[in-house]
Amino acid sequence: AQKITQTQPGMFVQEKEAVTLDCTYDTSDPSYGLFWYKQPSSGEMIFLIYQGSYDQQNATEGRYSLNFQKARKSANLVISASQLGDSAMYFCAMRVGNNNNDMRFGAGTRLTVKP
Amino acid sequence: GAVVSQHPSWVICKSGTSVKIECRSLDFQATTMFWYRQFPKQSLMLMATSNEGSKATYEQGVEKDKFLINHASLTLSTLTVTSAHPEDSSFYICSARDFYRGGDTQYFGPGTRLTVL
Repeated sequence: AQKITQTQPGMFVQEKEAVTLDCTYDTSDPSYGLFWYKQPSSGEMIFLIYQGSYDQQNATEGRYSLNFQKARKSANLVISASQLGDSAMYFCAMRVGNNNNDMRFGAGTRLTVKP
Repeated sequence: GAVVSQHPSWVICKSGTSVKIECRSLDFQATTMFWYRQFPKQSLMLMATSNEGSKATYEQGVEKDKFLINHASLTLSTLTVTSAHPEDSSFYICSARDFYRGGDTQYFGPGTRLTVL
């Protein structure tokens, strides 16, 4: 069975500083994808970044980077130069396989950026 | 980028009535759509996988007779909450993957907030 774990219910970061949101996963399938989504108070799910299990390099998208440590089964999200607008819920998710398989979500981490 | 819409964005209904939520992929064809439910301050929980032209696949614990899913076309899936009760009040989110264009991103609709009185 696949499992996604986010152990930080809430995180605080000072504006302009970097923050790391933790995510660990468990699956026996060698082919999987890891995703991070941002959910502001409006409820929409905003895609941030993706890492494939076979990708050799860590994914980066602007201020977002994914620290992928395959042996440790972790896929932490790093947000650099935090902005007030980054305050939101952040969800780590995993999809196993390459077909139209579903995506499973972690419990989420609420990030608050302080001015 | 691909866009998924949901309608309505919010709905309030009386207990015992049925509510239909539409999920549309606006600029791509989605053979498979997913329905999630999110209770306040909780994560998204997969309810069912909706396949175009066939029956939906429900997750364990989700009543298929209560949450009717129809995926009549490649761009539309509907979720009908039948005989809604207050405990069905939740945020319902659909998502779809642009499988034909390749890529791994799964696009989410903006969600529908259901309140059952």
